[in-house]
Amino acid sequence: AQSVTQLGSHVSVSEGALVLLRCNYSSSVPPYLFWYVQYPNQGLQLLLKYTSAATLVKGINGFEAEFKKSETSFHLTKPSAHMSDAAEYFCAVSEGADGLTFGKGTHLIIQP
Amino acid sequence: AAGVIQSPRHLIKEKRETATLKCYPIPRHDTVYWYQQGPGQDPQFLISFYEKMQSDKGSIPDRFSAQQFSDYHSELNMSSLELGDSALYFCASSLWGLAGGDPNTGELFFGEGSRLTVL
Repeated sequence: AQSVTQLGSHVSVSEGALVLLRCNYSSSVPPYLFWYVQYPNQGLQLLLKYTSAATLVKGINGFEAEFKKSETSFHLTKPSAHMSDAAEYFCAVSEGADGLTFGKGTHLIIQP
Repeated sequence: AAGVIQSPRHLIKEKRETATLKCYPIPRHDTVYWYQQGPGQDPQFLISFYEKMQSDKGSIPDRFSAQQFSDYHSELNMSSLELGDSALYFCASSLWGLAGGDPNTGELFFGEGSRLTVL
C-alpha cells in the first residue's frame, strides 16, 4: 500500500516569509500526488497535483510543489506567506480507484 | 461548475440513534468515496463505489452501511451511533471510466462535508 508522511504537525511562519511543508511518499509504482488545503469548518480543496508530467507543479494561491523521485518527496512551498494561508494542509497519494491516502496533516500558522 | 453536494451539512443525534448522510456526485462521475475525519485527524477512507457497485472498503464499522443508487447518488447509513462517531463525513467523486476520454489522475473532488455530532 502507498503512504505519505508529513513532517511537522504544526508549522509557524511570519507573514511574508517562505512557507515549506514537507511530504514524503512511499510507493512501489510512479505515484500521483496531491496537496489539499482545509480551512476551518470547510471541506478539502485541491491546491495542486503531480501526475507524472512536469516535476515542478504550480497550484492555486501561489503555492507550488516539486516532485523529487530520488528523495521520494513532494514538498509544498510558497515564497511569501499571507495571513489567509493559515489552514490545515494534507498531502495525499492516489490509490487508484480506491481513492486517496492522506498524510496526518500540517497545521500552518501565520504570525503577523 | 457543478460540485459534489452533501446533505445535511450538520446533524445532531443521540447515542444509539440512526443517521443517514447523502451525497450527490459531480455529473458523469462514476466513482463515489466516503471519508470520515475526526477532530484534529486526517480523513480516513470508509468505502467507495464504482458504477453503483462497492469497489473497496476501508475502516468502516459494521454499524455503517452505504450504497450507490441508479442516479449515482450515494447514502451512508449509520446505526447504533456512538460518541466516537462524531466527525466530519466527506463524500468525494471522480471519473474512472472511459466515458470521460481523459486518463484519470486519481484526483478526487470533495464535498463540503456533513458534520455529525452524537450527544
